[in-house]
Amino acid sequence: NAGVTQTPKFQVLKTGQSMTLQCAQDMNHNSMYWYRQDPGMGLRLIYYSASEGTTDKGEVPNGYNVSRLNKREFSLRLESAAPSQTSVYFCASRDRAGAGTEAFFGQGTRLTVV
Amino acid sequence: KNEVEQSPQNLTAQEGEFITINCSYSVGISALHWLQQHPGGGIVSLFMLSSGKKKHGRLIATINIQEKHSSLHITASHPRDSAVYICAVGFRNQFYFGTGTSLTVIP
Repeated sequence: NAGVTQTPKFQVLKTGQSMTLQCAQDMNHNSMYWYRQDPGMGLRLIYYSASEGTTDKGEVPNGYNVSRLNKREFSLRLESAAPSQTSVYFCASRDRAGAGTEAFFGQGTRLTVV
Repeated sequence: KNEVEQSPQNLTAQEGEFITINCSYSVGISALHWLQQHPGGGIVSLFMLSSGKKKHGRLIATINIQEKHSSLHITASHPRDSAVYICAVGFRNQFYFGTGTSLTVIP
């Protein structure tokens, strides 16, 4: 009963380094999301994938890329990390977008860019 | 633009007190979600509701669609209820989140 699994849990990067945050869900959900959480702000959508094979930009996509590798996996890539990308990142999934379905969240990745 | 507003931002209560957290939203929604986040922890879904009222243990969530307002109540609060409570609304393909209410329950 893993639900949504994110890796890594913690990461420190130097400015300009790249990294990929991994997310996998085992609930056969169609829709997957990447959010960032910053102090004093609500969760903000970076990218989402409404279904396998599609991805769309959210509110704050600049500096990020995503890949919906298959139905289970949705990765988030930082090509050249910047201090402004220091944040807690959450992956989420739900059965389908555009409907009243429950969302399931991963445990978060705490990223610090120095 | 804040599609979802929560109040209060911070709340301190004595153990045993009745707690209410409020959420107002401005978009038409498919459902409203209440989420819980413990310090340093992940996010857990408490309720999803589109009308009326739901109860789970000491937690009760209500929604008034006409007024675009929801409340989360905690009866007989306990220190383990200390967490951030987040209201989120589902609209089209996305969720919109409030900034959260940080609750501290003192023994």
